[in-house]
Amino acid sequence: QSVVPQPPSASGTPGQRVTISCSGSSSNIGSNYVSWYQQLPGTAPKLLIYRNNQRPSGVPDRFSGSKSDTSASLAISGLRSEDEADYYCAAWDDRLSGPVFGGGTKLTVL
Amino acid sequence: EVLLAESGGGLVKPGGSLRLSCAGSGFTFSNAWMNWVRQTPGKGLEWVGRIKSKPDGGTIDYAAPVKGRFTVSRDDLKNTVYLQMNSLRIEDTAFYYCATGSISITGFDYWGQGTLVTVSS
Repeated sequence: QSVVPQPPSASGTPGQRVTISCSGSSSNIGSNYVSWYQQLPGTAPKLLIYRNNQRPSGVPDRFSGSKSDTSASLAISGLRSEDEADYYCAAWDDRLSGPVFGGGTKLTVL
Repeated sequence: EVLLAESGGGLVKPGGSLRLSCAGSGFTFSNAWMNWVRQTPGKGLEWVGRIKSKPDGGTIDYAAPVKGRFTVSRDDLKNTVYLQMNSLRIEDTAFYYCATGSISITGFDYWGQGTLVTVSS
């Protein structure tokens, strides 16, 4: 059971907008920045969002992040087949004194 | 181009030791905070440990499951970070990735391709 639960799966059709959420607590998401990672099959994770809603250079603006209280969300608009991947949220946890990752959400593009 | 290349993974018996290396290029290694993150095959990500840059104090922190058994170190002349793993357990079996950055400031912005550590008798 992850410290930061995420729904295990999500799906959408090409062109659709999907949202992936993660639910934390006051010791992690509630008091620290959230980042999001995309892991394509057989590859290393890749940073998509940092500081809740900032995109690194090269990440399309179809990806956006938000945070409210102890929860965070990743939205993907104009869904494409190449977006099929696992998505993880992460944040520093003050109680554990280290970063914690969400359990991950497997996104399927139908 | 930023590149991170892990090496040193392999098969080891429970109780054994292994040292992983991660060589970086394409960025100012000495200014980078370096992390180790692991992933059990088919499962999620788990932060293992971190070493800050020397200008930022060089502090080293560990996740509770590995504290006292694993040691993170760095050699800025060789642009390499190490993970010394002792007293290995079956549950340490995982892909081990090195990653740059601070989770709160930059996120983990660059990742290596990972190296597989298998602990089995």
